[in-house]
Formats: sequence, structure tokens, C-alpha cells
Amino acid sequence: GESVGLHLPTLSVQEGDNSIINCAYSNSASDYFIWYKQESGKGPQFIIDIRSNMDKRQGQRVTVLLNKTVKHLSLQIAATQPGDSAVYFCAENSYGGSQGNLIFGKGTKLSVKP
Amino acid sequence: NAGVTQTPKFRVLKTGQSMTLLCAQDMNHEYMYWYRQDPGMGLRLIHYSVGEGTTAKGEVPDGYNVSRLKKQNFLLGLESAAPSQTSVYFCASSLYRADQPQHFGDGTRLSIL
Repeated sequence: GESVGLHLPTLSVQEGDNSIINCAYSNSASDYFIWYKQESGKGPQFIIDIRSNMDKRQGQRVTVLLNKTVKHLSLQIAATQPGDSAVYFCAENSYGGSQGNLIFGKGTKLSVKP
Repeated sequence: NAGVTQTPKFRVLKTGQSMTLLCAQDMNHEYMYWYRQDPGMGLRLIHYSVGEGTTAKGEVPDGYNVSRLKKQNFLLGLESAAPSQTSVYFCASSLYRADQPQHFGDGTRLSIL
């Protein structure tokens, strides 16, 4: 089976609230992680990435947290907006370093209620 | 700057027919990838290329062939289409390492009857 998974397949939040999307991974050798957003009918869009030498990385309204001890990754979206409604995927580099390929999770669907 | 462009966007084939999906990127990326996306399965890697003239198998390569004759183009071929190959196909590219963001096209929706 896939080494990257998600705790919740769907997440519904109120507009303006913060969203947290979780992801578990099983390969301790993975050292690069990435989050994508996929809107209906479109390809995955890069949101943010993080390397294993970091615990946290922030972007515009998004924060990724990495807990290597429990092999857990999360994406936090601040002040969630209707335009954030999409499927979110996490992925890991399965071999570590510059080699290998990304292994994708199945995705979490985020729905934002106005 | 177009990024990653996939053609065609939609296609319906009959079982046994062949076709080629084209991917073009204008970012001068070395690495290119072909994925398929099925409901509940996430993205699965079919084939990839780490440079012009090179290709390698991914997780689900059977029934597909690829070619990378030019750096900017990556072709995915189905020699004899089967209903199990009904899927959405995505092409992606990354600069020159596997631990860099991959940039995706908007996909080709392929139905095999």
C-alpha cells in the first residue's frame, strides 16, 4: 500500500476559520515533503514544501508542520476562504535526497461554507 | 509563460486503438513525469525522464511507452488501449532534482470503450 496517507478524506470548515489537513507517512528515509491543491478539472497546484531539516515552514496563509518523531505532516490554512475549496494532496520523496520519486496520498477534500 | 501544456484535453478511444498524449513544458526543466489519477487511488507514476533521451519506469508502466526526444516534450503512448486505462493523465516537470516541486499540466481525460 501507499506509505503516504491522510487521516480524513473530507473536511468542512466555515469561511474565516482555520483549516488543518493531516498526513501520515511511513518511510523514515523520506526527507522532502510537499503539498498540492487540486481544483475540479485542473491539475495539482504546488502550495508549499518542506525538507526534513525543518519542523515548520510558512507561506502566504499556509503553514506546513513536520513531526519526524511520529511521521506526521500537516497543512494549516489561515482564514479559510471559499477559493480554498479543493482536494489537497501531500506527497513524500520516497528515497530521500535528490533521487527517487514522489509518492502521493489519496487526498482530502476541503469544503468551505460561506 | 505557459508552464506545462497537455494535448489533447479529452479523448475517447475504442479498445485496441492506439494514441499518443503530448506534454510540453517551457520552463527548461530536466525532469518530466507521467501520472494517472483514478478515483480513490491518488496519483500514480507511470514513467518518468531525468533528461533528454532518457526514460524510466514508474509504479504502473505496463501498457504504456514514452519518449523524450526533445527536452521540452514528453510523449506517452498507448499501443493497444484497454478499458482499464480509462483515467485522467497528468504530466509534470521539475527543474533538475526529485526533491523539487513538480509543476503539473491540467490533464488529459481519456475514456476507453
